[in-house]
Amino acid sequence: GAVVSQHPSWVICKSGTSVKIECRSLDFQATTMFWYRQFPKQSLMLMATSNEGSKATYEQGVEKDKFLINHASLTLSTLTVTSAHPEDSSFYICSADIQQGYEQYFGPGTRLTVT
Amino acid sequence: AQSVTQLDSQVPVFEEAPVELRCNYSSSVSVYLFWYVQYPNQGLQLLLKYLSGSTLVESINGFEAEFNKSQTSFHLRKPSVHISDTAEYFCAVSGYNQGGKLIFGQGTELSVKP
Repeated sequence: GAVVSQHPSWVICKSGTSVKIECRSLDFQATTMFWYRQFPKQSLMLMATSNEGSKATYEQGVEKDKFLINHASLTLSTLTVTSAHPEDSSFYICSADIQQGYEQYFGPGTRLTVT
Repeated sequence: AQSVTQLDSQVPVFEEAPVELRCNYSSSVSVYLFWYVQYPNQGLQLLLKYLSGSTLVESINGFEAEFNKSQTSFHLRKPSVHISDTAEYFCAVSGYNQGGKLIFGQGTELSVKP
């Protein structure tokens, strides 16, 4: 149980295009999902908190107009990287909160490369 | 606000040797503490967590961590490591009533050699 999937697992796109990443909780409902960004050999940086049915809460320094988050249902959150640039290349990981702060389950990550 | 410091970026050890991965945190509120493991090009897997109660927590694969409030530490230990334990380990903290937000340490790369 408690499986979180992400799609796609990797994507290559051209500079200026937009990319959508999906995060799904497969066997449970998640009112809260989180989006993280991880650079090579570095830690995870929290980008935003996604709550079902409401606007996402972004961390300081994260551009909300560039990283659009939608949490349309209790099992799906999406992250859209708009007008992507090479510096947006990174490993994006989502997680779902299963016990209101007691535990998060992580997706396998999506590797984005912008050329 | 919370912060986490993992004191060692890399820890090389030989197979069957004991290992300790160090983690210290700071917080103005009470916290929940976690250790996650990440294998190459994969997401994170929960290794163990401290929420309350006994300060010594154990995982199913032989790791243990002890919450030390006075030293604000949550070090991870294993008495005998295997090659398969080679991975990146992250310590994380979540403050009470912080909506579940996790703050991660920088990570420790554990490399187990035969």
